[in-house]
Amino acid sequence: AQKITQTQPGMFVQEKEAVTLDCTYDTSDPSYGLFWYKQPSSGEMIFLIYQGSYDQQNATEGRYSLNFQKARKSANLVISASQLGDSAMYFCAMREAAIQGAQKLVFGQGTRLTINP
Amino acid sequence: ETGVTQTPRHLVMGMTNKKSLKCEQHLGHNAMYWYKQSAKKPLELMFVYSLEERVENNSVPSRFSPECPNSSHLFLHLHTLQPEDSALYLCASSQSRQAYNSPLHFGNGTRLTVT
Repeated sequence: AQKITQTQPGMFVQEKEAVTLDCTYDTSDPSYGLFWYKQPSSGEMIFLIYQGSYDQQNATEGRYSLNFQKARKSANLVISASQLGDSAMYFCAMREAAIQGAQKLVFGQGTRLTINP
Repeated sequence: ETGVTQTPRHLVMGMTNKKSLKCEQHLGHNAMYWYKQSAKKPLELMFVYSLEERVENNSVPSRFSPECPNSSHLFLHLHTLQPEDSALYLCASSQSRQAYNSPLHFGNGTRLTVT
């Protein structure tokens, strides 16, 4: 069975500092994809960044980057220059399967990030 | 409107009521999903539709009944729910033609309370 583990239930960071949110995964499938989502208190899940298992380089999207270490099966999210608006729940997810073109994602427990002014 | 819209945002219902959750996507996607988010638990996939055909039913109790009349609309019909069904229900959509790196786009969710 595939599994996502986020070991940090909560993190507190000073504004403007960089923060790393941990994610490890477990799969025997050589082809997989990893996603990070942000969920503010409003409830909406916002897609942040994607990393494919065959991608040669670590994914980056603005202030978000993914520290992908395939041998360790980890896909940590790095947020540079954190802002107050980054306070939210963050979820790591892995594509468990593709079903007739649809994605079946499995999610971790999430990390609650709080940015202090 | 853009994105994925869910209505209502909040719903309180008794155990004998029948209600429906609605989801609409304006992204031109052709796959739609229902997820359940309970406190202190990871998101649980409930149903998946691709090209209006149900392709996944994750052992969800029959008191939850999905309906996908077209690729833009998804419903979740609820009847005789239990208090443990109280949760945030999230709808999502994705573009199935680019399955491997196509992210799911989520709505704001419906906060359901069963009394």
